[in-house]
Amino acid sequence: DQQVKQNSPSLSVQEGRISILNCDYTNSMFDYFLWYKKYPAEGPTFLISISSIKDKNEDGRFTVFLNKSAKHLSLHIVPSQPGDSAVYFCAAKGGSNYKLTFGKGTLLTVNP
Amino acid sequence: NAGVTQTPKFQVLKTGQSMTLQCAQDMNHNSMYWYRQDPGMGLRLIYYSASEGTTDKGEVPNGYNVSRLNKREFSLRLESAAPSQTSVYFCASSNRGQGSPLHFGNGTRLTVT
Repeated sequence: DQQVKQNSPSLSVQEGRISILNCDYTNSMFDYFLWYKKYPAEGPTFLISISSIKDKNEDGRFTVFLNKSAKHLSLHIVPSQPGDSAVYFCAAKGGSNYKLTFGKGTLLTVNP
Repeated sequence: NAGVTQTPKFQVLKTGQSMTLQCAQDMNHNSMYWYRQDPGMGLRLIYYSASEGTTDKGEVPNGYNVSRLNKREFSLRLESAAPSQTSVYFCASSNRGQGSPLHFGNGTRLTVT
């Protein structure tokens, strides 16, 4: 049973446009959400996070939106750059449980 | 600043062989984790250690054992490797606390023939 779902395996956008990556979750106990970026042959690196007490968190070109009622979060990248091309993982954890549950990832390709 | 260091980077084993994947972190983190990444499966937790002296099973622990040697080091052992354990293995560490993200190493690519 997949508790964190990224339904789009891949996404392609033009440089300068907005990239929107989506993530859905099923576990109501999740209260903290993170996005990681992964380049080939490297480990995932932390990008941005959001607590369930917020509905938006922004860091430079990256914004994460959380809709608790829909159990949905999204990562917006504006403007997209070719260096943003990577696999993006959504992850979640809940309460005192600090283990992260990951989605399967979305491969973002930003075309020059 | 090394962060999380994993050795080896690559390994090829024959079915039935054993090996230990090493992981060390220099960030004074309390918690450490082992994940595996398979195509189309995302990252799945094998074992974790909340603090020195404790270890617990994750989502896919069968066929693996772990040792939290000290606060810095957390090793993953395959006693009898199987082709199904062909994967990329990532070690990670974090502080306690909800807002503490995991920091990952660069992975060990293991092939079992």
